Amino acid sequence: DAGVIQSPRHEVTEMGQEVTLRCKPISGHDYLFWYRQTMMRGLELLIYFNNNVPIDDSGMPEDRFSAKMPNASFSTLKIQPSEPRDSAVYFCASSLLGTYGYTFGSGTRLTVV
Amino acid sequence: TQLLEQSPQFLSIQEGENLTVYCNSSSVFSSLQWYRQEPGEGPVLLVTVVTGGEVKKLKRLTFQFGDARKDSSLHITAAQPGDTGLYLCAGLMEYGNKLVFGAGTILRVKS
Repeated sequence: DAGVIQSPRHEVTEMGQEVTLRCKPISGHDYLFWYRQTMMRGLELLIYFNNNVPIDDSGMPEDRFSAKMPNASFSTLKIQPSEPRDSAVYFCASSLLGTYGYTFGSGTRLTVV
Repeated sequence: TQLLEQSPQFLSIQEGENLTVYCNSSSVFSSLQWYRQEPGEGPVLLVTVVTGGEVKKLKRLTFQFGDARKDSSLHITAAQPGDTGLYLCAGLMEYGNKLVFGAGTILRVKS
C-alpha cells in the first residue's frame, strides 16, 4: 500500500485566494482525519469522517474552512478565502475503526502571503 | 492549554545515554499512542498502549501507560543518533474517536 497520499506537498498562495488540499486514505480504512500543525499550537484536529460522513468538525477554525469526503478514497480540505494566519502544515490521516494507530500522510505545507 | 502535557520540550544528549519523556494529563484516555516525526514528514506510529499499567517494549524503547490511564512515559536506552526526532504522545478520548496530541519533545542525539 502506498500509504496516505496528500497533494500538493507545498502550496504558496496570495491572501484571499481559494486553496484546496487533497487526500487519498489507505484503502479499507473507515476513518479519515484532517490535522493542522504549527509551532505555536502543535497538532490540532480540524475534522474527522467515519465512512465518508463528517462526525466532528468542532476543530474547524472558521467558516472559511470546509471539508468533504465524496467517497471512501478521496477527501478535500478547502480554505476560502485564505489568510496569512492559515499558514501551517496540514496533515491527513486515516485509521481502521478509529481506535488503532493512525497513518499520516506527508502533509501539505501551506504558505499564504 | 494542552490536554496532554509533554516534558521535557527539548532534549539534547550524547549517544549512549538513557532518557525518559513524560506525557501527563488530568483526563482519562481509552488508549495512548506514541509517534515519532521527522522533518518534512508526517508522524509515524511507534506503539499503542491500552490497559492501565501496560508496558510495551520496542527494541531500545520502553513505553508505559499509567495505572489510571492518564499518563504515559517513553524510555530510550542507549540512545542513537538515528533516534533524533520529534516524539509525540497522543490520547484517544474516551468518548468519540478523537485523538489529541501533546506538544511534543524534540530529541537530539549527538554522536
